[in-house]
Amino acid sequence: EAAVTQSPRNKVAVTGGKVTLSCNQTNNHNNMYWYRQDTGHGLRLIHYSYGAGSTEKGDIPDGYKASRPSQENFSLILELATPSQTSVYFCASGDDTQYFGPGTRLLVL
Amino acid sequence: GQQVQQSPASLVLQEGENAELQCNFSTSLNSMQWFYQRPGGSLVSLFYNPSGTKHSGRLTSTTVIKERRSSLHISSSQTTDSGTYLCALDPNTGNYKYVFGAGTRLKVIA
Repeated sequence: EAAVTQSPRNKVAVTGGKVTLSCNQTNNHNNMYWYRQDTGHGLRLIHYSYGAGSTEKGDIPDGYKASRPSQENFSLILELATPSQTSVYFCASGDDTQYFGPGTRLLVL
Repeated sequence: GQQVQQSPASLVLQEGENAELQCNFSTSLNSMQWFYQRPGGSLVSLFYNPSGTKHSGRLTSTTVIKERRSSLHISSSQTTDSGTYLCALDPNTGNYKYVFGAGTRLKVIA
């Protein structure tokens, strides 16, 4: 089974601060994804990547940047965190079948 | 409007009962997945099923493209089946950009 890990698992940030969420996968998948999950909205795609060096905007990219420095690692960056970005963030890898990490709970105060 | 609609929104079963969860979509379909999400936890892929019927233990997924629907049948439910079931589809982008439904929250009581 695909292994996707995320760090940190929980994060408290202050408004205006910078937050970096990290994701690592060990199954050599080309595609990686960042989603956020909120009550009432379900899972929504923020950014995705087709391979090292590539990042693409998803459905809700505003306020987020992404970085894919290697096949294994995909980061989500909040340059200026806002309370509206309080959410649970999931990373996934794969293509037709996607494998999800355990999630990061982010609270922006 | 919403591309993916799931029903029912929530469901309570007695252990041993069967359940039928529905996923209806308003666009064409390239890929379809069903996921299980543990309470407070991550998502686990149950089926990749863009068409036809697939089985896995007590679970059966059926996707009928021309009717724009997919269903997940759970037979002989167990308390450990409790959680949220999500369907997701790639609306023919071919890029595996999945759009998720809001989910069906299932509770199985002993």
